[in-house]
Amino acid sequence: ELKVEQNPLFLSMQEGKNYTIYCNYSTTSDRLYWYRQDPGKSLESLFVLLSNGAVKQEGRLMASLDTKARLSTLHITAAVHDLSATYFCAVDMRNSGYALNFGKGTSLLVTP
Amino acid sequence: DTAVSQTPKYLVTQMGNDKSIKCEQNLGHDTMYWYKQDSKKFLKIMFSYNNKELIINETVPNRFSPKSPDKAHLNLHINSLELGDSAVYFCASSRDLAGEQYFGPGTRLTVT
Repeated sequence: ELKVEQNPLFLSMQEGKNYTIYCNYSTTSDRLYWYRQDPGKSLESLFVLLSNGAVKQEGRLMASLDTKARLSTLHITAAVHDLSATYFCAVDMRNSGYALNFGKGTSLLVTP
Repeated sequence: DTAVSQTPKYLVTQMGNDKSIKCEQNLGHDTMYWYKQDSKKFLKIMFSYNNKELIINETVPNRFSPKSPDKAHLNLHINSLELGDSAVYFCASSRDLAGEQYFGPGTRLTVT
């Protein structure tokens, strides 16, 4: 059974600080995704990481993938309040019909 | 011009009732999914359909029955609703089985 673990599950950080969210998964997967969810809203796709060593950046967020370690990181640089949300990583596998297996999510609160 | 839409957005009903949630996508995608997000925000795949054919049926009670009248629609019918069915249900679609998934706005179901 594919397991996806995120940590931390809760993160309170000050504006301007840097931090990293970690995502570990238990078996070889095809792709890794990062999503953002605002309260009461849907899931917004942030990044899709396809191969070992992949790195993608958008604004203050940067995601990376190490398939050998089965680890992805979401790095936040100089956090701002607008980044407050819940962040999910998810992986899919061909032999499970590419259904997304989600981590439990990291609730991020950025404070002044 | 919503890509993936769901109706209704909110659904409040009593235990024992039968209800349906509708999902439509106008992206021309072949694959559609239903995910359940529980009160702790955990997201789990329920079903997936590809070209109107059931691909994934996770360990979901048989009170839940998906129906795909055509590739653009995947509806979820729930019989004999229970308190534990209260959750947010997300529909998603992808170009094909391996494509990136796009999520609908969610339907918040409350069973009283």
